[in-house]
Amino acid sequence: ILNVEQSPQSLHVQEGDSTNFTCSFPSSNFYALHWYRWETAKSPEALFVMTLNGDEKKKGRISATLNTKEGYSYLYIKGSQPEDSATYLCAFISGGGSNYKLTFGKGTLLTVNP
Amino acid sequence: DTGVSQNPRHKITKRGQNVTFRCDPISEHNRLYWYRQTLGQGPEFLTYFQNEAQLEKSRLLSDRFSAERPKGSFSTLEIQRTEQGDSAMYLCASSSTTYRGYEQYFGPGTRLTVT
Repeated sequence: ILNVEQSPQSLHVQEGDSTNFTCSFPSSNFYALHWYRWETAKSPEALFVMTLNGDEKKKGRISATLNTKEGYSYLYIKGSQPEDSATYLCAFISGGGSNYKLTFGKGTLLTVNP
Repeated sequence: DTGVSQNPRHKITKRGQNVTFRCDPISEHNRLYWYRQTLGQGPEFLTYFQNEAQLEKSRLLSDRFSAERPKGSFSTLEIQRTEQGDSAMYLCASSSTTYRGYEQYFGPGTRLTVT
């Protein structure tokens, strides 16, 4: 059974604060790691897909890093805005087959107060 | 809108009734996945199709659950004799095996409440 852990479970920050979340996953048989942002009543939106150890990706104020050897990824948000409020999910794909099914963590619920 | 769509968005049903959900994937995507998210958990894999073939089913998918993708386009997920434990958000995702097959695009989900 693959275990994907996310921390913290929830986070309240003030507008303008920078924040980060952690995703840990099995370090063996790695294929890819996804970060999704899921706002209430909307579809989960893909933020990043990372496949290589040491990957760093950036999209505006949001960035992510990947360490496949130790099995963790960090998501950073710089200067949080109220519109960043959402659940952030990470999802792991193992290299065991070609089905590419996602194994998700429980998510981090971010609330940004104006 | 060319994204993944799901209908209905919300369904309230009484225990013991049958329900059916529909997912319309991105038109050129040949893979379609179903996931379920229960309260306090992350989404969990249920099943996936490549074209019309159902290639894998999770052990979470009991005999009361059946999924189809008859023409390799839209898919339906039916739950027979619903139980309160079936209350969850049911998510559908699609992807293409011809380009970056590991990228899945999600619909907004169907929230099922069994009373």
